[in-house]
Amino acid sequence: GQSLEQPSEVTAVEGAIVQINCTYQTSGFYGLSWYQQHDGGAPTFLSYNALDGLEETGRFSSFLSRSDSYGYLLLQELQMKDSASYFCAVNTDKLIFGTGTRLQVFP
Amino acid sequence: KAGVTQTPRYLIKTRGQQVTLSCSPISGHRSVSWYQQTPGQGLQFLFEYFSETQRNKGNFPGRFSGRQFSNSRSEMNVSTLELGDSALYLCASSMGLAGGSDTQYFGPGTRLTVL
Repeated sequence: GQSLEQPSEVTAVEGAIVQINCTYQTSGFYGLSWYQQHDGGAPTFLSYNALDGLEETGRFSSFLSRSDSYGYLLLQELQMKDSASYFCAVNTDKLIFGTGTRLQVFP
Repeated sequence: KAGVTQTPRYLIKTRGQQVTLSCSPISGHRSVSWYQQTPGQGLQFLFEYFSETQRNKGNFPGRFSGRQFSNSRSEMNVSTLELGDSALYLCASSMGLAGGSDTQYFGPGTRLTVL
């Protein structure tokens, strides 16, 4: 089957940098996506890696290594509003989501 | 451009009843996917509709069904509700491009509680 594992929770302070890892056991996917979901809200798209390497979008960067079956989301200059759940997902003919990581940012 | 809308936002039903949820995609998007989100199972794919046809299906029982109309609006139906069907049901729309690289845009979800 296909599975994506993430740490359940990460904590950090404002201004810091945090990395959320995603390891997967799947094959034949088009790319790796990252979504943010605030409590009670809808998942919102953050980033997509079709190829290996780093993609940068403002304070957020995402990385994919297919040879290592691994990806990560890097959040820089953390703000309180970044407190949310973050999901990686592989793009096949559908999105298969990871287990999700709850990020708590403290002042 | 208006985002994905879902109605109703909250729903309370009892076991054995059926329910219909509605999703209006972003204008111009032809694909609508449905997901179930629960604390225990996370986000799980239910099915995808494209041009009024079911294009993909997840591993859910036949009690879960859906359809799509010519204006791309979609409905999902759950019959004979069980307690375990309590969840947040999310729909997501995309252009529907082949290859799975489409960005999916999610609606706010319908919170279904089965008593």
